[in-house]
Amino acid sequence: AQSVTQLDSHVSVSEGTPVLLRCNYSSSYSPSLFWYVQHPNKGLQLLLKYTSAATLVKGINGFEAEFKKSETSFHLTKPSAHMSDAAEYFCVVSEGGSQGNLIFGKGTKLSVKP
Amino acid sequence: DTGVSQDPRHKITKRGQNVTFRCDPISEHNRLYWYRQTLGQGPEFLTYFQNEAQLEKSRLLSDRFSAERPKGSFSTLEIQRTEQGDSAMYLCASSSTPGLAVRSYEQYFGPGTRLTVT
Repeated sequence: AQSVTQLDSHVSVSEGTPVLLRCNYSSSYSPSLFWYVQHPNKGLQLLLKYTSAATLVKGINGFEAEFKKSETSFHLTKPSAHMSDAAEYFCVVSEGGSQGNLIFGKGTKLSVKP
Repeated sequence: DTGVSQDPRHKITKRGQNVTFRCDPISEHNRLYWYRQTLGQGPEFLTYFQNEAQLEKSRLLSDRFSAERPKGSFSTLEIQRTEQGDSAMYLCASSSTPGLAVRSYEQYFGPGTRLTVT
């Protein structure tokens, strides 16, 4: 069975400082991994995805994530936080293939202080 | 590409009433998914369609829930005899079928329908 664990329910950073949102996954197969962002009263937006190509994945708005199979991790980072980054972030795993339904973590709420 | 749309955006209903939600996927996508998100949680998978065929249903989808995609385009999710525990955000997403496109696993989400059962 696949699962995702987001290690922090809430992360608070100051504007201009680095962001680290942690995610560990469990999968019996070679997984596809994603990070989605959800701003208040807005739909889920795909930030980036890993599908067995390069292990360092670059996404939108300066975010990137590194797939580490040995650590079963897919942490999301950004060098410098912006106020507009404040949102809920979800780490997601998909088995893909004939199914393709996504399994979401519980989310990490990112707060950015001025 | 006009994105995934959902209607209504908000629905307030009394316990015991039936409700129906609609989802219009991105036009070239043949897969359509329904998820449910409760407060403070990540979305949970309910069911998905490939064209008009419903290929998988989660155990979360009780007998009171039914989903259809009659012509392989828009989909409806109906909840019969609503309960307070059904209060949640219902999300729809669409994607291409794996193998047919470079970004075949990406799911694009609509804004959701927020259901409140009083």
